[in-house]
Formats: sequence, structure tokens, C-alpha cells
Amino acid sequence: QVQLQESGPGLVRPSETLSLTCTVSGGSMSGYYWSWIRQPPGKGLEWIGYVYSSGTTHYHPSLRSRVTMSIDTSKNQVSLKLSSVTAADTAGYYCARIRFSYNWFDLWGQGTLVTVSS
Amino acid sequence: QSVLTQPPSVSGAPGQRVTISCTGNSSNTGAGYDVHWYQQLPGTAPKLLIYDNNNRPSGVPDRFSGSKSGTSASLAITGLQAEDEADYYCQSYDSRLSAWVFGGGTRLTVL
Repeated sequence: QVQLQESGPGLVRPSETLSLTCTVSGGSMSGYYWSWIRQPPGKGLEWIGYVYSSGTTHYHPSLRSRVTMSIDTSKNQVSLKLSSVTAADTAGYYCARIRFSYNWFDLWGQGTLVTVSS
Repeated sequence: QSVLTQPPSVSGAPGQRVTISCTGNSSNTGAGYDVHWYQQLPGTAPKLLIYDNNNRPSGVPDRFSGSKSGTSASLAITGLQAEDEADYYCQSYDSRLSAWVFGGGTRLTVL
């Protein structure tokens, strides 16, 4: 059974870079778009972007200037970096996957809360 | 403001039927992109509930159903149960943004 697990610091200082890792266990990373989705406390879901199993990336236009995603298939990990964070970036961050040629997120990690505060 | 519009809340008594709407525009649902639904129980991650407008993944009860027409989609829940109390989100693809987009979410309260 495939599982996704997010990890990283729970507290980040304003203007610094948020860094998270998603570890995939129990299955292959091939043929999937690996996305990051965030949810501010008490609010809705926002798609941040994806990294495909080949390494191709695509980001939401509103975050494109601050986001970098990468994949390491040897470690079964995807990473997210979000630079110049502010309090508005405080959110639960989820890793989720979409199978190639599909358009729905069929598997999600449990999520990790990141707070931006000095 | 979310690209897809959902009512903030709906409610119903146990055993009743409720529906949740999801309205987009000509660059997403109106362009023919399918709608998918997720259930988020309190304190947990979202879980896929309906894909491609009206398909249930294995394990999802047939009390949950979806439909789509034009720019709008709906999620229907029949035989409401206390365990259905959750937030529900619709999702589609937007060609103008080149992004996957979500509705703002609807909180279902079982009275």
C-alpha cells in the first residue's frame, strides 16, 4: 500500500525559505505528477505545483516566482522550497499524486503544518 | 477567492439527502474539464470521493454520487449519517491558469 509522508520544520522565520520533503513508500514514483497543496488554517485548498517523475515541473502562476520542486527517485522523495515566506504562507502542506493522463489526486499524505513567525 | 464556487455550508438531518454545488466558468468546468470531489474529515487530509464527475473509487459508499452539467457540478449524499460530517471540496483543471483548481469548500453539518 503506497503511502506519502511529509516532513520538515514546523516553524520558519519571515523572509526565509520553507523546505519540505515528501517520502513515498510502498510503490513506484514513475508515471505520476507529484504535487504540493496547501491549506491555511480554517481555509480552503490551494494547489502549489507539481514535479513529474521525469523531473519536469509546473507551478501555480501566483507562486511561480518563489517555488522550486524537485524529485529524487533513488530516495523516493519529492521536495518543496518556497522562498521569501510571510505569515500568509502559514498553512498545512500536503503532498499528493496524480496519475499521468488523469486529473484527480488519488492519494494524499497526512500533511504537515508550517507556521511562519519570528 | 477560489476559482470554483461552493456554498460555505449545508446541513441535513440523519437519513436525509443533501447536495453541494460547484460552479466554474468557461476556462475550467465550462471548457469540458471534469470535476472531482474530496472529503476532509476533521483534522485529517482530504480523501478522493468522486472522480470524473460521477465515479466512485473503491470503498466509497454508493450513498455518494456526482453529476455535472455545463459549468456546474453537484455532489449528492443520500441517507445522511453522522460520520459524513466533514468539509467537501470540488476540483477541476483551469486552462487559463494552467493549474489544478479547487472550490472554497463546503462544511456539511449533520443535525
